[in-house]
Amino acid sequence: KAGVTQTPRYLIKTRGQQVTLSCSPISGHRSVSWYQQTPGQGLQFLFEYFSETQRNKGNFPGRFSGRQFSNSRSEMNVSTLELGDSALYLCASHHDAGTSGTYEQYFGPGTRLTVT
Amino acid sequence: AQSVTQLDSHVSVSEGTPVLLRCNYSSSYSPSLFWYVQHPNKGLQLLLKYTSAATLVKGINGFEAEFKKSETSFHLTKPSAHMSDAAEYFCVVSEPSSGTYKYIFGTGTRLKVLA
Repeated sequence: KAGVTQTPRYLIKTRGQQVTLSCSPISGHRSVSWYQQTPGQGLQFLFEYFSETQRNKGNFPGRFSGRQFSNSRSEMNVSTLELGDSALYLCASHHDAGTSGTYEQYFGPGTRLTVT
Repeated sequence: AQSVTQLDSHVSVSEGTPVLLRCNYSSSYSPSLFWYVQHPNKGLQLLLKYTSAATLVKGINGFEAEFKKSETSFHLTKPSAHMSDAAEYFCVVSEPSSGTYKYIFGTGTRLKVLA
């Protein structure tokens, strides 16, 4: 099976611009989660989507949003970029285990966003 | 709320010597625990997971971890380090949240392997 793919891999944007990142999960996986990774804050959870619905959300401002399509592909959008948004954005997919158990997530290689 | 503490931000070992990466957690639930590895410019790869079965968990590439409830620890070990093990390692606890589960990541331990 192909792994989780993320596009683009690298991106340079200017403060105030907006950006859209894309994630294609492993075939058959219906849940997609997004994370931000920075040297200072480590890995922080952004949000999780399942069947086109946001199921869980981290503590990020409303400038960060996402969506999921019927084929489980997901996008995240960051509007009005700030210098502090420079980070590695990781997407992870999993085959949803519902509420009865836990699950292992499979991560993509990430999109490295640099805001200048 | 659950939390994860990785006790060492950096660990250096010589090739062929044992590896020990320490992780402590706090949890109000029966935890599910994971170790992930991240090589430079790569995503995270699952090494192993504990989900209330055997307390000694074997993972990929010769790694294993032991769940010790009395010590609230889940340390990662490998008998003999290889140069390719140099990477950053994350301990993760899974927490119920809003009808699903949320991953709580430790701050990571960077492993350096010396020739």
